[in-house]
This record gives sequence, structure tokens and C-alpha cells, in this order.
Amino acid sequence: KQEVTQIPAALSVPEGENLVLNCSFTDSAIYNLQWFRQDPGKGLTSLLLIQSSQREQTSGRLNASLDKSSGRSTLYIAASQPGDSATYLCAVNPGNQFYFGTGTSLTVIP
Amino acid sequence: NAGVMQNPRHLVRRRGQEARLRCSPMKGHSHVYWYRQLPEEGLKFMVYLQKENIIDESGMPKERFSAEFPKEGPSILRIQQVVRGDSAAYFCASSPGRGGLTDTQYFGPGTRLTVL
Repeated sequence: KQEVTQIPAALSVPEGENLVLNCSFTDSAIYNLQWFRQDPGKGLTSLLLIQSSQREQTSGRLNASLDKSSGRSTLYIAASQPGDSATYLCAVNPGNQFYFGTGTSLTVIP
Repeated sequence: NAGVMQNPRHLVRRRGQEARLRCSPMKGHSHVYWYRQLPEEGLKFMVYLQKENIIDESGMPKERFSAEFPKEGPSILRIQQVVRGDSAAYFCASSPGRGGLTDTQYFGPGTRLTVL
């Protein structure tokens, strides 16, 4: 059964720092992996989608990498801002559904 | 193009009542997924539907829960005889279906169900 783990569970950094969020999954047979952002009491915002054949995707200050064989993905956030404060969720799709991690709660301190 | 719409956004029910959650997928999307987020837990898959068909309901509780996606109208997640443990955020997602299993899913804002 696919299990997704995100480390750390919570992270607090001063504004301007670069940071890395980690995601690991137990079954490498996936079609894609997606990073989401969730603000308190709100829905999910898709940040980056990486297909299984890809190594990384970039959008603005965000860069996500995927190492399917080792079951790992990282989300790199450059020059963090207070507006980046949210919970970041990693989800893998082995077909028909996403398996989600429990998220990393990020606080960027002004 | 409007995103995935869910209503109501907040729903309060007393134990034993029925809850009906609605999801309108993005225009042109024919696949709908329902997920549940229990307090302090991650999102868990419940069911995957295409128009008039349930494709995968492996995450649905065996009793009291049902889902449909009719030819016309929104997808409905129905919870009969709600209990306090059903209190959660229920998210709907949709995908176009053209890319098959590589499709991304677009999520709605969720319905927060509170059972008193």
C-alpha cells in the first residue's frame, strides 16, 4: 500500500531564507506527483505537477524535483516570503487517485 | 473558466440526519474524485466517478456513504444518518479525462461538515 511521508511536519524560517520540503513515498509505481498548498480552512492550490518521466518542474520561486526510483521528491522555495506561510502537501498518483502526505506547516517570519 | 465548485461550503447536521454535498466539475471535465480530510489527518481518497459510472470506490465507508455523478448536474456525495465522526472537510476534484492516468486533478474549496 502506498504511504507518503513528509518531513518536517512543521518549519519556521525568517523571511528571505531558501528552504526545502521533503516528501517520500513507498511505492515507486506512480504516474505523477503533485505539490499543493493549503491555507487554513481553505481548499488546495496546485503548485507543481511532475510526471513520472520528468525530473523537475519550476514555477517562479518554486522548484520541485522527483527521484522516482528512490521514492523521493523535494520542494525548494527560494527567497521565502510571509505570504508563503501555509501547509504544503505532497501527493502521488499511482492511478485513479492521489495519496497524500500529512503536510509540512510552514511559517515565514517577517 | 470557473474552477471546481462545491456547495455548501459549510454544513451543520445533527446526528442521524442526512448530509448532501455537491460538486460541479470544471467545464469540460468528465471525471470527479471525492476526498475526506479528518481533523489532524491527511486527505484520504474516497471515490472516483465518471459520468453515470463509479470507477473506484475503494475508499468509501461500506455503510451510510454513497456517491453519484449523473449525466446532467453535479456529483453528489450523500451521507445518511450522520455521526460525529463524519465531521470533516470533504474535497472534490475533477480532471478532463483526456490524459488518462497522467491527468492532474483540480480541487474545489471543500465542504466543511460539522455533526452536532
